[in-house]
Amino acid sequence: EVQLVESGGGLVQPGRSLKLSCAASGFTFSNYGMAWVCQAPTKGLEWVASISTGGGNTYYRDSVKGRFTISRDNAKNTLYLQMDSLRSEDTATYYCARREYYSGDFDYWGQGVMVTVSS
Amino acid sequence: DVVMTQTPVSLSLAIGQPASISCKSSQSLLGTSGKTFLNWILQRPGQSPKRLIYQVSKLYSEVPDRFSGSGSETEFTLKISRVEAEDLGVYYCWQGTHFPRTFGGGTKLELK
Repeated sequence: EVQLVESGGGLVQPGRSLKLSCAASGFTFSNYGMAWVCQAPTKGLEWVASISTGGGNTYYRDSVKGRFTISRDNAKNTLYLQMDSLRSEDTATYYCARREYYSGDFDYWGQGVMVTVSS
Repeated sequence: DVVMTQTPVSLSLAIGQPASISCKSSQSLLGTSGKTFLNWILQRPGQSPKRLIYQVSKLYSEVPDRFSGSGSETEFTLKISRVEAEDLGVYYCWQGTHFPRTFGGGTKLELK
C-alpha cells in the first residue's frame, strides 16, 4: 500500500526556518517524481515545488524561489522541503504527492502537515 | 502562468441527479508528447485530495464509472451521471503540462 506521511510542521515566527519531511513507503521511491502542494486555510490548492526521480531537476513556484528548497534522499525514501525566510502568507497545510511518470498525475497524496507562520 | 478557471463554484444537488463541472485553461494543455495533462481530484471534507481522472478522461480503477471526463486543448468537463452521498466535497482540475503546475479554484459539491 502506498503511503506518504508528512512531518515537521508547526508554529514558527516570520523570518525563521522549518524543514518538512515526507516518508514514503509501499513503492519504489526512487522511480517517482515528487512534489509539494499547499493549501492555505479555507483556500484552494497551490503547487509549491517538484523534484525529479534522482533529485537533479527541481522546479518552484515564483513566490518560494530562493526561500524554499525541495530535496530527496532515495536511500531513506524521504522527500524534504526546507522552508527559509518564512512569511505569514506561507501559512498552509503542506501535502507531499507522488507524480506518476506516464499519467503525469499526482496519483497519491499524504495526509498533510500544518505550517503556521505567526509572531 | 496557466490560469485554470472552474465553474460553477458550488453545486447543490440531490442524490441521483447529474452533475457537470467545467474547467477552462488560459493556454492549450496539449503537451509536446501529444498527451494532455489535465487531471481531476476530489477533496472530501477534512481529507487530503484523492485522484479521480488523469489525461482528461482516464479513470483510475477505483473510481466509479458514473464519473467521466472529456475535453481538449483548453476546455474540459467532469461529469457525474448520478450523484451519490460519497461524492460530496471539492473537485479540482489541475494541469501538469506547464510549469508552474496550476489548479482550478475548486467546485464544492453539496447534497441538497
